[in-house]
Amino acid sequence: EPEVTQTPSHQVTQMGQEVILRCVPISNHLYFYWYRQILGQKVEFLVSFYNNEISEKSEIFDDQFSVERPDGSNFTLKIRSTKLEDSAMYFCASRSYAANTGELFFGEGSRLTVL
Amino acid sequence: SQQGEEDPQALSIQEGENATMNCSYKTSINNLQWYRQNSGRGLVHLILIRSNEREKHSGRLRVTLDTSKKSSSLLITASRAADTASYFCATAGGYQKVTFGTGTKLQVIP
Repeated sequence: EPEVTQTPSHQVTQMGQEVILRCVPISNHLYFYWYRQILGQKVEFLVSFYNNEISEKSEIFDDQFSVERPDGSNFTLKIRSTKLEDSAMYFCASRSYAANTGELFFGEGSRLTVL
Repeated sequence: SQQGEEDPQALSIQEGENATMNCSYKTSINNLQWYRQNSGRGLVHLILIRSNEREKHSGRLRVTLDTSKKSSSLLITASRAADTASYFCATAGGYQKVTFGTGTKLQVIP
């Protein structure tokens, strides 16, 4: 069964360092998402991406964040200068093109710990 | 914000009992979805109900939607210990953004 894969599963970094989280969405999906979940809290929308551009982003997704799909398969989230409060699980999700299919397929997440 | 708010925040039941979780949201939606999350894992889609539907079933799951009250409920019948997880409702208003609620943590005691 096709799945969304994310790497790394866990990354520990120092405050101020750049972090890149990688995702390989399901191959025939065209909509891509990043969500964040601080431990034990709600799942927060960060950004959606379609047709090689950001289609929507939340207030959390400030200038420190960026996304790109560099090679047609990977979908990356970059945090330029990490802060302590960026510590969270980051989930990538993808969705097929069909308008009636709202289901998001999630990866297992990347746990980011900022020290 | 279309953010869903689930209640209860936590629910503990005995195996075999039914579990009911409720979700309220604020703005108009195209569809409402329920997801499950095992501790520390990714979210798994359970069921989607469109705004023009009132009830939907999938196995032991039953979802209702009341757009006039902006609320939905998820019923899990004959619960099992393996149903222990967090359950989130998610609303989709526009074409792409899916917004998750705060979640209900369900514990099913064997």
